[in-house]
Amino acid sequence: NAGVTQTPKFQVLKTGQSMTLQCAQDMNHNSMYWYRQDPGMGLRLIYYSASEGTTDKGEVPNGYNVSRLNKREFSLRLESAAPSQTSVYFCASSEGWERYNEQFFGPGTRLTVL
Amino acid sequence: GNSVTQMEGPVTLSEEAFLTINCTYTATGYPSLFWYVQYPGEGLQLLLKATKADDKGSNKGFEATYRKETTSFHLEKGSVQVSDSAVYFCALTDSNYQLIWGAGTKLIIKP
Repeated sequence: NAGVTQTPKFQVLKTGQSMTLQCAQDMNHNSMYWYRQDPGMGLRLIYYSASEGTTDKGEVPNGYNVSRLNKREFSLRLESAAPSQTSVYFCASSEGWERYNEQFFGPGTRLTVL
Repeated sequence: GNSVTQMEGPVTLSEEAFLTINCTYTATGYPSLFWYVQYPGEGLQLLLKATKADDKGSNKGFEATYRKETTSFHLEKGSVQVSDSAVYFCALTDSNYQLIWGAGTKLIIKP
């Protein structure tokens, strides 16, 4: 039981390049999330998927797109990377979309955009 | 809007000291409150939670009480260990069920 897995762990991009961050969970969770973590700012929600087949914008969606490929997988795409997107990205999942649900996090992807 | 404010770190303590990390919040309605912990090089994991006023969450010797009158959810532990060194995040769920995060407090425990 791996929980939430993310690939890659580290990535360096040049400005304007594109890439996709992959996330998968094996807990049969309905809801999945993408966050970014910047120093001194806590986590900010980029996009979420409350259930399979739905996606919605979070607090900071600009410059990103997501795909809920199936119940297990939720990918985050940067179409044209910018230095402001240098951050640590976390994927998370929860049983459902309810206010008391625990979220389970992956180990993160450290992205640097030059 | 909804927000969470935590005490700034780093907080440095000696082993076996008493720990308090302050967390206050602003929210409409009745949020659920959480403490998550992030150990070095890892993702976040839930430490404890409370879903209504006066609830006390507890886990691994840590405790926090949901105080609606003071809009606070302070984290406490009676005797910290070196292994408690981590970053601690306070968070709440807003009316849209999204998690709103504090900035995190880094805790350093010296032997």
